[in-house]
Amino acid sequence: NAGVTQTPKFQVLKTGQSMTLQCAQDMNHNSMYWYRQDPGMGLRLIYYSASEGTTDKGEVPNGYNVSRLNKREFSLRLESAAPSQTSVYFCASSEALFRGSYEQYFGPGTRLTVT
Amino acid sequence: KQEVTQIPAALSVPEGENLVLNCSFTDSAIYNLQWFRQDPGKGLTSLLLIQSSQREQTSGRLNASLDKSSGRSTLYIAASQPGDSATYLCALSAGKSTFGDGTTLTVKP
Repeated sequence: NAGVTQTPKFQVLKTGQSMTLQCAQDMNHNSMYWYRQDPGMGLRLIYYSASEGTTDKGEVPNGYNVSRLNKREFSLRLESAAPSQTSVYFCASSEALFRGSYEQYFGPGTRLTVT
Repeated sequence: KQEVTQIPAALSVPEGENLVLNCSFTDSAIYNLQWFRQDPGKGLTSLLLIQSSQREQTSGRLNASLDKSSGRSTLYIAASQPGDSATYLCALSAGKSTFGDGTTLTVKP
């Protein structure tokens, strides 16, 4: 099992450009998440998907959109990148949404710089 | 709003020491608490998950405890090794996950 995979690993964008971060998991998990990690701010939830076909906003959704393409894949799109979106982005998955005995498993991250 | 605090922010110990990392939280209405390890430039690796109804979990040299009444969790690392050097984060799930900022541990040979 590859677990949670993310592409690309690194990306540099100019202000105003758009891009999509891809995430896939092979653990047959129902729930998937997108976080961003910034120094001094910890990990913050951007969007999550409780199950295939559903998505919900997290703590910092502004400037982002998501698509739960199927059970395996959950993508994050930046329509018009801004320097404030420079961050490390992590995708995660779990068997069910946040609760009980369901651990979250993380991908390796995408390091995004917006100039 | 749930607030999660990890103290200290950084810790340096000699190899072989037993150590405790702390995680405190403000809202005890949680589903679970998970401890992660993060190596520089890498993703998060799950170490232990404690369900709300549990008091502790153990894996090898790691032991995590949960005391909801005091809003506190500890991660105990026995006989520390240089390979344990990393940042350790706790995350509480209560509808959504809230992460602490982490404790960066350095174990010196």
